[in-house]
Amino acid sequence: NAGVTQTPKFRVLKTGQSMTLLCAQDMNHEYMYWYRQDPGMGLRLIHYSVGEGTTAKGEVPDGYNVSRLKKQNFLLGLESAAPSQTSVYFCASSVLAGAYEQYFGPGTRLTVT
Amino acid sequence: AQSVAQPEDQVNVAEGNPLTVKCTYSVSGNPYLFWYVQYPNRGLQFLLKYITGDNLVKGSYGFEAEFNKSQTSFHLKKPSALVSDSALYFCAVILNNNDMRFGAGTRLTVKP
Repeated sequence: NAGVTQTPKFRVLKTGQSMTLLCAQDMNHEYMYWYRQDPGMGLRLIHYSVGEGTTAKGEVPDGYNVSRLKKQNFLLGLESAAPSQTSVYFCASSVLAGAYEQYFGPGTRLTVT
Repeated sequence: AQSVAQPEDQVNVAEGNPLTVKCTYSVSGNPYLFWYVQYPNRGLQFLLKYITGDNLVKGSYGFEAEFNKSQTSFHLKKPSALVSDSALYFCAVILNNNDMRFGAGTRLTVKP
């Protein structure tokens, strides 16, 4: 049982380049999330999805787009990368929201130069 | 703003001693509170949660947390620390719109 997987693990981008981060979960969870982790700031929610075909903005959505075309996949896109987007990105999933714990992927370390 | 706060960036304890990692919350209504642990170069792992019921919640790896409504706290505790408990610990709260807000994290170091 793979749980939550993320692709790629590391990436270096130049300012203005675009990329897509892929998150996949095999637990049949309805909810999926994208977070960024920065030193001293904990995790901040970028976007989330409450089911296939639906997405919603989190705390820090600017500069990112997401899509959930299949229940098991949640894609995070950066259309024009900026140095401020240098961070570690985590995907998570949960059965439902509210009282249910989230299961996290191993993370993607992104550096924008 | 609704959130959680972890007042200590770093907690150091000796192996075998009890440990406490502090968390306070500021949320209207009844909070759903969580503790997660992060080991180096890994994603977060769920430890325990408080939804309702008993104020003392038991979780994974011998950890427990006490929900205190009057002090708006949810401190993480363990009676006897292990070196392998050394990690980054995050407190989190679910807001009404399903947004989970995390504290800034507390780095726990357990020394032999």
